[in-house]
Amino acid sequence: EVQLVESGGGLVQPGGSLRLSCAASGFTLSSYWMHWVRQVPGKGLVWVSLMSSDGRTTTYADSVEGRFTISRDNAKNTLYLQMNSLRVEDTAVYYCGRDYGYDFAIDIWGQGTMVIVSS
Amino acid sequence: SSELTQDPAVSVALGQTVRITCQGDSLRSWYVSWYQQKPGQAPVLVIYGKTNRPSGIPDRFSGSSSGNTASLTITGAQAEDEADYYCNSRDSSGNQLVVFGGGTKLTVL
Repeated sequence: EVQLVESGGGLVQPGGSLRLSCAASGFTLSSYWMHWVRQVPGKGLVWVSLMSSDGRTTTYADSVEGRFTISRDNAKNTLYLQMNSLRVEDTAVYYCGRDYGYDFAIDIWGQGTMVIVSS
Repeated sequence: SSELTQDPAVSVALGQTVRITCQGDSLRSWYVSWYQQKPGQAPVLVIYGKTNRPSGIPDRFSGSSSGNTASLTITGAQAEDEADYYCNSRDSSGNQLVVFGGGTKLTVL
């Protein structure tokens, strides 16, 4: 079964760091572009970051540029999001997603992991 | 980055047809995709490449696009279609950036 499972969320203080993981099964992560998308509970989806299949292209939303880093471990078939200098406004459910092509359609989504930034 | 604009809420009577729209400059150049999200669940892709349905998505869901406006149409809405719907596409800047619409809450009456 094709599946994505996120982990690593939790409570962190403003200015702190957290690393999210997204374990893929049923497909090879390095064959696909991958995304991170976040959602404040009760609000809309907001794209955060993407990585190309060859790993050479990574892009970020303006709101996280310079603070978040997307990466991948091919041996573990796992995608990561390193989040530094966290702010209260980064509080959200974070989803990873597999790109389907067609201008960034996302066909497979994880169940999400909650990040709460609070003192 | 560009924006995609959606109506915040739309309602439809059970069994009737409803159209949910998404507007943005990027849609003149790039494909749009649509997602359904029910409370407490991850989004589900229902339309990609403007008009294509993934396997398992009922054929009452269809997509279209003209100019800067894309539409998701549900023909014969069912109670289980009540959900939030989001559009997304490539950013119009030409960079590898992604945009989502603000979402439309669909109520089936």
